[in-house]
Amino acid sequence: AQTVTQSQPEMSVQEAETVTLSCTYDTSENNYYLFWYKQPPSRQMILVIRQEAYKQQNATENRFSVNFQKAAKSFSLKISDSQLGDTAMYFCAFMRYGNKLVFGAGTILRVKS
Amino acid sequence: DSGVTQTPKHLITATGQRVTLRCSPRSGDLSVYWYQQSLDQGLQFLIHYYNGEERAKGNILERFSAQQFPDLHSELNLSSLELGDSALYFCASSGGEGFEQFFGPGTRLTVL
Repeated sequence: AQTVTQSQPEMSVQEAETVTLSCTYDTSENNYYLFWYKQPPSRQMILVIRQEAYKQQNATENRFSVNFQKAAKSFSLKISDSQLGDTAMYFCAFMRYGNKLVFGAGTILRVKS
Repeated sequence: DSGVTQTPKHLITATGQRVTLRCSPRSGDLSVYWYQQSLDQGLQFLIHYYNGEERAKGNILERFSAQQFPDLHSELNLSSLELGDSALYFCASSGGEGFEQFFGPGTRLTVL
């Protein structure tokens, strides 16, 4: 069974600075997807970024980028130029093709002004 | 707005009762997934339907059941409710095998 570990329960960052959230996973699969979801206080689950395991290039979406290390089974999220609206719980998730999402426990990110 | 709708937003009920949660997927999406988010268990997968057929079950209790109708909307039925069933229930939809999942706003269930 796949597992996802987020070792940082809480983090904080100053507005406009950069922060990196860590995620590791365990799987014997070779083909899979990895995701970061954001859950703000409204509790809505918002897809931030996705990475296909077969792609070596790291995914980027505006201020959000990932560092995907397949051999190390590591998938960290970097948020640049942090904004107050980035304050949320962030979940790392693993998915085999056409299958369920397996979530980590989440990291609470607080952006301070 | 993800395009996935869930009703009701909030539900307060008593132990032993039965409730039905409803989900309408994004237009064109054939897959519907149900997840439960609770303080002690985190986000847990419950069940997956694809074009009306059950595809996978997670840690779903026998008291819980789901179905997906021909118009692709889905319902999650929770019966003999217990205090521990209080949680946020999410529905997510995707466009087919291997696509990312988009979440609805969730239904917050409180069992008193």
